[in-house]
Amino acid sequence: QSALTQPASVSGSPGQSITISCTGTSSDVGSYNLVSWYQQHPGKAPKLMIYEVSKRPSGVSNRFSGSKSGNTASLTISGLQAEDEADYYCCSYAGSSLYVFGTGTKVTVL
Amino acid sequence: QLQLQESGPGLVKPSETLSLTCTVSGGSISSSSYYWGWIRQPPGKGLEWIGSIYYSGSTYYNPSLKSRVTISVDTSKNQFSLKLSSVTAADTAVYYCARIGYSYADGAFDIWGQGTMVTVSS
Repeated sequence: QSALTQPASVSGSPGQSITISCTGTSSDVGSYNLVSWYQQHPGKAPKLMIYEVSKRPSGVSNRFSGSKSGNTASLTISGLQAEDEADYYCCSYAGSSLYVFGTGTKVTVL
Repeated sequence: QLQLQESGPGLVKPSETLSLTCTVSGGSISSSSYYWGWIRQPPGKGLEWIGSIYYSGSTYYNPSLKSRVTISVDTSKNQFSLKLSSVTAADTAVYYCARIGYSYADGAFDIWGQGTMVTVSS
């Protein structure tokens, strides 16, 4: 059960769109539509941003969207804002009630 | 509003057992719609799922930690607990407890505790 692969960093200017990839295998991301995404600001607990690949919890901005193709899931942040600067983690169900997180991506707003 | 709060020693000696408790308030741990889990984050590193438990007591562990981890639930106290044995410096991390969706927001860690820092050192 290896960590899902994310780019270490992604950056963009205010107002732009960025996409963070999350690559797993046919045993996790590729097999289940149970990918979630978390935002973590320094010193804070992670916050759920997307669940079941593309669903947004109540209260999460519609600037955040998720998708999946094959073994790779993606999180897109549109209309990038300063407050979006944080670390982002994906997570996938891996069968048999097991879970695996991604390596994490630091988003920088230029 | 459901809240989770971790508690336990902030310092554990090498080779000893790390013990943490997560207290659930504002809701019942016995809900059939959720699992309850532990996640950790070493300083400056990423998140690692440790394991999960259902209110019935069914447990699921990260294979890489399975030999050292025990998660239990006490429904009368609305708490669940983590024990990690034979700790080393590599187990130094912020430990989070979280609620995991089962029949809604399936597989999502939707509510988190604030986290508690545990340092393994003599």
